[in-house]
Amino acid sequence: DTEVTQTPKHLVMGMTNKKSLKCEQHMGHRAMYWYKQKAKKPPELMFVYSYEKLSINESVPSRFSPECPNSSLLNLHLHALQPEDSALYLCASSQGPGSSGNTIYFGEGSWLTVV
Amino acid sequence: GENVEQHPSTLSVQEGDSAVIKCTYSDSASNYFPWYKQELGKGPQLIIDIRSNVGEKKDQRIAVTLNKTAKHFSLHITETQPEDSAVYFCAATRTSYGKLTFGQGTILTVHP
Repeated sequence: DTEVTQTPKHLVMGMTNKKSLKCEQHMGHRAMYWYKQKAKKPPELMFVYSYEKLSINESVPSRFSPECPNSSLLNLHLHALQPEDSALYLCASSQGPGSSGNTIYFGEGSWLTVV
Repeated sequence: GENVEQHPSTLSVQEGDSAVIKCTYSDSASNYFPWYKQELGKGPQLIIDIRSNVGEKKDQRIAVTLNKTAKHFSLHITETQPEDSAVYFCAATRTSYGKLTFGQGTILTVHP
């Protein structure tokens, strides 16, 4: 089972709202990722968590705040977003950096619209 | 950092034909090269991958080849079907790093 589950599938939020995106995997993976994808573009890395610690932050604005409560869960907290932040947000997981089996599996994504 | 170039950006074939998508990468330390298929409204789905110690890998109608010297790798789809229509992304990374660098994508359309 190579399933990464993301909720919600669709989210509309105002620029003053606070919301969260959630991601879950039960494959025993120790690395989890957030990617952002704009229309007709490839996914762009935002954050990497390795063994529940933030290991990569690709200079993402602080209005995006990741959290890894445990090895199966990854959240992305959203606050004071701008309309240009509207995109597909993808969660992914893998066994872990450094592993020879570091295949990265993506969820179906959360479509975010900021109004 | 790594840079991945992907060609062509669009590819249109008739059902039953073969399709080839090519990527080049810049970082000679990259050692893992996955290919993803993304259908409209869905997340990227891994379809095949190859590691730098292997030159070719096949899975039914899909194959990937890797030329480390030239730093390029290719996806080959034989006997294409309309359900193969999607956006295909190549990517490259070092397995020790965890960051995938994607190509710009190829929109494949298979006409019945």
